[in-house]
Amino acid sequence: DGGITQSPKYLFRKEGQNVTLSCEQNLNHDAMYWYRQDPGQGLRLIYYSQIVNDFQKGDIAEGYSVSREKKESFPLTVTSAQKNPTAFYLCASSIRLAGLEQFFGPGTRLTVL
Amino acid sequence: QKEVEQDPGPLSVPEGAIVSLNCTYSNSAFQYFMWYRQYSRKGPELLMYTYSSGNKEDGRFTAQVDKSSKYISLFIRDSQPSDSATYLCAMRRDSSYKLIFGSGTRLLVRP
Repeated sequence: DGGITQSPKYLFRKEGQNVTLSCEQNLNHDAMYWYRQDPGQGLRLIYYSQIVNDFQKGDIAEGYSVSREKKESFPLTVTSAQKNPTAFYLCASSIRLAGLEQFFGPGTRLTVL
Repeated sequence: QKEVEQDPGPLSVPEGAIVSLNCTYSNSAFQYFMWYRQYSRKGPELLMYTYSSGNKEDGRFTAQVDKSSKYISLFIRDSQPSDSATYLCAMRRDSSYKLIFGSGTRLLVRP
């Protein structure tokens, strides 16, 4: 079955630690995205990637970093510089950057203790 | 002011009711309008999208866009308990990659 996987499902982090969230897709999509979802707010774009070895900042990139070394993988690192990292993180992909349908993964809930 | 406004609900209806979910927006350049369904602790899934104004029907779901009023709606006929979820609207400009999401409306369909 084609789809997007994210791991882990739940993640707990101590303040001051960096953590990396995994996102893998087997849809052969070129474009991948990371969103953050907070209660009462819409999804906000953190980073996006149009193609391998290329990525761009979204609206709320501060305190986050990404890499895109393989087409299938787009990991997100939440650094200690992110002031309020507790949130639900969603990875998505689309056939191309302006593709109409974005397919979402199941999400990772990050809690900072 | 947010670009896209959506009532958070919750909206509670009895099984079989017709549900109306709505979003308003401020950017007249939006051309693509999407509705996503998100079950609790899951990722959103695309239900349907429309381009520019008009209606689109898919089974029990009808999406409606009124660009003159900057208002979009999703109607669910014969609602089922399995429709209980959060519904997110999203929209974007023509040829843009960027989706702007509403905050979502939580729907509860009571058996």
